[in-house]
Amino acid sequence: EVQLEESGGGLVQPGGSLRLSCVGSGFTVNSNYMSWVRQAPGKGLEWVSVIYSSGSTYYGDSVKGRFTISRDNSNNTVYLQMSFLRAEDTAVYYCARKLNNYDDLWGQGTLLTVSS
Amino acid sequence: AIQMTQSPSSLSASVGDRVSITCRASQGIGNDLGWYQQKPGKAPKLLIYAASTLQSGVSSRFNGSGSGTDFALTISSLQPEDVAAYYCLQDYNYPWTFGQGTKVEVK
Repeated sequence: EVQLEESGGGLVQPGGSLRLSCVGSGFTVNSNYMSWVRQAPGKGLEWVSVIYSSGSTYYGDSVKGRFTISRDNSNNTVYLQMSFLRAEDTAVYYCARKLNNYDDLWGQGTLLTVSS
Repeated sequence: AIQMTQSPSSLSASVGDRVSITCRASQGIGNDLGWYQQKPGKAPKLLIYAASTLQSGVSSRFNGSGSGTDFALTISSLQPEDVAAYYCLQDYNYPWTFGQGTKVEVK
C-alpha cells in the first residue's frame, strides 16, 4: 500500500529542538518531491518546506533558519529537524508527496506542542 | 512572498446550491494553483491542480477556473458531504503559500 506515516511529535519547551520523521511505503521518497505542511490548532494550513529529488530545499519565511528538511534514502524517510522552537510552532505537521500535483499523497499528521 | 487572499472566510448554503470560493494572488502566478478540501481531523485532499484540472476520483461537481491573479473554486450543487474547509495553494514561487481557508457549511 502506498502511504506516508509521520512520527516524532510531542511536547517540547520553547527554545528546544525536535526531529519529525515521515516514512514512505510503496514508493521511493527520493524519486519525488516531498513537503511538510503544518496546521496550528483551529487555524489554516501553512506550507513549511520542500525537498526535491535533486536535494534542493526551500522553506517558509516563518521557519527559515530554524528548520531543516532532509532525506535518508536507505530508510525511505524524510525528516524535519526543528530548532529554536516557539509557541507559535505548535501545530499538526503533515508530510505530503507532490503538492499541487495529480500524484497527491498525505500522511495522517503528527502533533507538536511547544510549551513550558 | 506571494499573498493568497481567499474569500469568503465562511459560507452557509442549502443542499443543491451553487457556491463559489475565490482566491486572489498578490502577483501573477500563471495557473500554478491547487484547491484542497479538508474535513475535520483529516489530512487535506487535492481537488483541483493547475487551476482547473480535476484530480482523478474527485466529483465533477467541483470546478476550478482562473489564471494570473484571480481564481475560483465552484461547487455546482452543494451536497452534505461537501461540508469542509477549502484552501488554495500557489506553487508558482517560494515560499509556497496557502489562502486563509473557507469553511463551507450546509444550512
